[in-house]
Amino acid sequence: DGGITQSPKYLFRKEGQNVTLSCEQNLNHDAMYWYRQDPGQGLRLIYYSQIVNDFQKGDIAEGYSVSREKKESFPLTVTSAQKNPTAFYLCASFGGAGYTFGSGTRLTVV
Amino acid sequence: QKEVEQDPGPLSVPEGAIVSLNCTYSNSAFQYFMWYRQYSRKGPELLMYTYSSGNKEDGRFTAQVDKSSKYISLFIRDSQPSDSATYLCAMEMGAQKLVFGQGTRLTINP
Repeated sequence: DGGITQSPKYLFRKEGQNVTLSCEQNLNHDAMYWYRQDPGQGLRLIYYSQIVNDFQKGDIAEGYSVSREKKESFPLTVTSAQKNPTAFYLCASFGGAGYTFGSGTRLTVV
Repeated sequence: QKEVEQDPGPLSVPEGAIVSLNCTYSNSAFQYFMWYRQYSRKGPELLMYTYSSGNKEDGRFTAQVDKSSKYISLFIRDSQPSDSATYLCAMEMGAQKLVFGQGTRLTINP
């Protein structure tokens, strides 16, 4: 089955730590996205990549970093500079059939 | 002012009722309009996609777009408890970047 796999499903981070969220797709899509979802705020764009080895900041990129070394993979690192990282993180890709979302990673700072 | 405004609800209706969900937007450059359904702790799934003013029907769901008023709606007929979810409107102006509304939490009571 083609789709997007996000891991882990739940992640706990201590303050001051960097953590990396995984996103893998087997849809052969060029474009991939990371969104953050907070209660009552919908989805906000963190970073996006339209092609391998290239990516752009979204609306709330501060405190986050990404890489796109392979077409299938678009990992997101939440750095210690992100002051309020507790949220639900969604990865998506875009292709001929539109946007496909992963099942999300819930990150909690402890 | 946010580019896309959506009443966050929550909205609670009895089974079988007609549900109306709405979004307004301020940017006339938006060309594509989508409705996503998101169950708790899951990624959004595409329900309806349209790019022109007027109505588009798919089973119990009807998407309506009024570009002159910058207003879109999703109607659900014969609502079922399985329709209970958060509904997100989303819009795109090209460059494959989506802008989301805040999401409306809907509960259908048996």
